[in-house]
Amino acid sequence: EVELVESGGGLVQPGGSLSLSCETSGFPFSSYWMHWVRQVPGRGLVWVSRINSDGSTTFYADSVKGRITISRDNAKNTLYLQMNSLRVEDTGVYFCARGRLVGPSWLDYWGQGALVTVSS
Amino acid sequence: VMTQSPATLSVSPGERATLSCRASQSVRSNLAWYQQKAGQAPRLLIYGASTRATGIPARFSGSGSGTEFTLTITSLQSEDFAVYFCQQYNNWPLTFGGGTRVEVK
Repeated sequence: EVELVESGGGLVQPGGSLSLSCETSGFPFSSYWMHWVRQVPGRGLVWVSRINSDGSTTFYADSVKGRITISRDNAKNTLYLQMNSLRVEDTGVYFCARGRLVGPSWLDYWGQGALVTVSS
Repeated sequence: VMTQSPATLSVSPGERATLSCRASQSVRSNLAWYQQKAGQAPRLLIYGASTRATGIPARFSGSGSGTEFTLTITSLQSEDFAVYFCQQYNNWPLTFGGGTRVEVK
């Protein structure tokens, strides 16, 4: 069974930092592109970032470029999101999601989400 | 930009629901649909505009290509009342529609 479990959310002040993790199981993690998607509770979905299967390429939404870093550890089957210089508008539930083996794609499995609140 | 309509759809159980998604430029058939219930992660329903994901009931069907897409749910069941999102994956960044809430009439 495919499982994705996020952790690391919490309350942080504007300008602060937070790191999220997404532990996965049930599939060959090192073969898949992985993504982070944000949702403000009660609102829509916003794609944040993606990383390719071996971690050699990354891509970010313009709104987070330069402040957020996606990475992965294929030996630990874990995806990460390092968030720096956080802004109030970064608040939301962050989902990790599995893409496909290559390229832009649909997202077929999602974690339960980690809530990040940026507030003073 | 992905635009969904209507924002809210009121439907009686057993009736058909038709949801629309429009892309500001062609995304060919690179479109997915998701269902999300309160407090849960999105669940993939449809990809490739019309292919049902694993385990998705046949009452869910998708159609369209280019800029106009439709998700149809025939004979709505109680568990189908939720929010539905479309998503294009024709190019980066991935983008989602604003969602359509399907509520009980």
